[in-house]
Amino acid sequence: AQSVAQPEDQVNVAEGNPLTVKCTYSVSGNPYLFWYVQYPNRGLQFLLKYITGDNLVKGSYGFEAEFNKSQTSFHLKKPSALVSDSALYFCAVRDLASGGSYIPTFGRGTSLIVHP
Amino acid sequence: GAGVSQTPSNKVTEKGKYVELRCDPISGHTALYWYRQSLGQGPEFLIYFQGTGAADDSGLPNDRFFAVRPEGSVSTLKIQRTERGDSAVYLCASSYSGGTGNEQFFGPGTRLTVL
Repeated sequence: AQSVAQPEDQVNVAEGNPLTVKCTYSVSGNPYLFWYVQYPNRGLQFLLKYITGDNLVKGSYGFEAEFNKSQTSFHLKKPSALVSDSALYFCAVRDLASGGSYIPTFGRGTSLIVHP
Repeated sequence: GAGVSQTPSNKVTEKGKYVELRCDPISGHTALYWYRQSLGQGPEFLIYFQGTGAADDSGLPNDRFFAVRPEGSVSTLKIQRTERGDSAVYLCASSYSGGTGNEQFFGPGTRLTVL
């Protein structure tokens, strides 16, 4: 079984400061991990993914995420937040275990608010 | 290039009515997914198509929900005898194939309101 948790409903950060949006996961095998962003009244937009290889993944709009297998985490980060980064962020996981699903499981989402 | 489109963008209906929601995926994408998103929640899986066939419909909540993709492109989600609890945003996504490493491209969603 696969599951993902986003422990924070909301993250507040000042513009120009670094931001972190947390995600932890649970899988039977190895994970594929994804981050998506959702702006108001829009569909989800892909940011980045971890498949294999380097644990630090770089994605769109200056975002990056670090895969940590021992802590089963895949936190989203950005060195300097922009007001325009304010949105809903979703983490998703797929389990590569034998019989693993083609269907990702999404977290509940974290609302990021960047203050001017 | 064109992304995933969904029509209508908003649908208001009365309890007990039948509704159809349409999804037009990115050209060439063989995998198509339907999700339902309620306020404050992440997308909840409904059904996954690989080509014309439903490869996984385990997320459909009951037999009032049905989806088709007859030519392997456009898909229609059909809801019979709608209930107030069906009110949500219905999202469609497509990906290049059903491979587990492929990211999904989402449409803007259809906001369904059942009065």
